[in-house]
Amino acid sequence: DAMVIQNPRYQVTQFGKPVTLSCSQTLNHNVMYWYQQKSSQAPKLLFHYYDKDFNNEADTPDNFQSRRPNTSFCFLDIRSPGLGDAAMYLCATSRGGTVYGYTFGSGTRLTVV
Amino acid sequence: AQKVTQAQTEISVVEKEDVTLDCVYETRDTTYYLFWYKQPPSGELVFLIRRNSFDEQNEISGRYSWNFQKSTSSFNFTITASQVVDSAVYFCALSDAGSGNTGKLIFGQGTTLQVKP
Repeated sequence: DAMVIQNPRYQVTQFGKPVTLSCSQTLNHNVMYWYQQKSSQAPKLLFHYYDKDFNNEADTPDNFQSRRPNTSFCFLDIRSPGLGDAAMYLCATSRGGTVYGYTFGSGTRLTVV
Repeated sequence: AQKVTQAQTEISVVEKEDVTLDCVYETRDTTYYLFWYKQPPSGELVFLIRRNSFDEQNEISGRYSWNFQKSTSSFNFTITASQVVDSAVYFCALSDAGSGNTGKLIFGQGTTLQVKP
């Protein structure tokens, strides 16, 4: 089945140690998004790629970076995780925006110790 | 500015009761889309419905129904004869032209629904 896959499902990292979360899709969608969802809060968009074009949200900390080496994969890099970065990270894809809808992955729950 | 408000933080009902989750949105655009997602404890976001601003027809899907009223900027969600499996966090979300052609979703704060046996 075509889908959006996030690995790993759970990630534990040490304070200050770089960590990478991955997202892959078999839908061939143009747009890939990364959302951060802290406990008991709404998901918040960090950034997205439209094909190779990277779009950062104005309030996304510099500590967060992203890479999209090809259509299928997108990575979220956290350069120096702090305790406040513990959250669920959700990847989503879209064929080209709202009118086509979105497909979400199952998320990666990040714990910082 | 775009905004979605879900005033109900938590709702608790007994199984078989009907329950309505409220959603009020703000947008300056005439073209926009509204969504409802369910998030069970496992964390994934499950898509429930998408409605565009030009379609004010209410929709029913099994035990779920949605009432879209542009006059009050509301998109409320009703679960009829609730079941324990309906227990989850429910998010209402908006995407409009202000989100650009790539359609950023603006989420409400979510409503936690607990259905007790």
